[in-house]
Amino acid sequence: EAGVVQSPRYKIIEKKQPVAFWCNPISGHNTLYWYLQNLGQGPELLIRYENEEAVDDSQLPKDRFSAERLKGVDSTLKIQPAELGDSAVYLCASSLDAGTNSPLHFGNGTRLTVT
Amino acid sequence: GDSVTQMEGPVTLSEEAFLTINCTYTATGYPSLFWYVQYPGEGLQLLLKATKADDKGSNKGFEATYRKETTSFHLEKGSVQVSDSAVYFCALSGNEKLTFGTGTRLTIIP
Repeated sequence: EAGVVQSPRYKIIEKKQPVAFWCNPISGHNTLYWYLQNLGQGPELLIRYENEEAVDDSQLPKDRFSAERLKGVDSTLKIQPAELGDSAVYLCASSLDAGTNSPLHFGNGTRLTVT
Repeated sequence: GDSVTQMEGPVTLSEEAFLTINCTYTATGYPSLFWYVQYPGEGLQLLLKATKADDKGSNKGFEATYRKETTSFHLEKGSVQVSDSAVYFCALSGNEKLTFGTGTRLTIIP
């Protein structure tokens, strides 16, 4: 079984530039998550999708962050414009459903550096 | 809201030593509890879980018991190996949301 695939693995951009991250979840997983992980911290949820619907985006800074999962499979997370404080690892995860007993499977993440 | 407090690291142990990483939580209701591990250069992966009080999760020689009375889910292993060097995250699942602790970096020296 292929795992969650994220790209790019690393991204370096200058502040005020846009950036996008891509995630391909495990086949058949209906629930997709984007997490933010700052250095030395645990992951924090940005947004959760059930199929193509964003059901929890309360922690997503909507002034500069956006996400989509148009066909309920792949997803993209965008930042425009990026700020220095956005430097972090962006993790994508998927699960069969949102039930508490359905474990999350994580990708390797995209490490963003904003200069 | 829900929260997870983990033992601060880093933790350095010699090979074959006994390991305990403490984890306590605050949550409403009856969450499921998890330990995730992140090996160098890899993504987070589920290590073990427990879904109700007194359940014991186990995997790869690691164990953790869901203690409702002390709101704890401490991770233990009787004899660690160099390959166990990683960052360990305690997490709870409540209201369809996974809340993580800050992680504990473990280094095992030969």
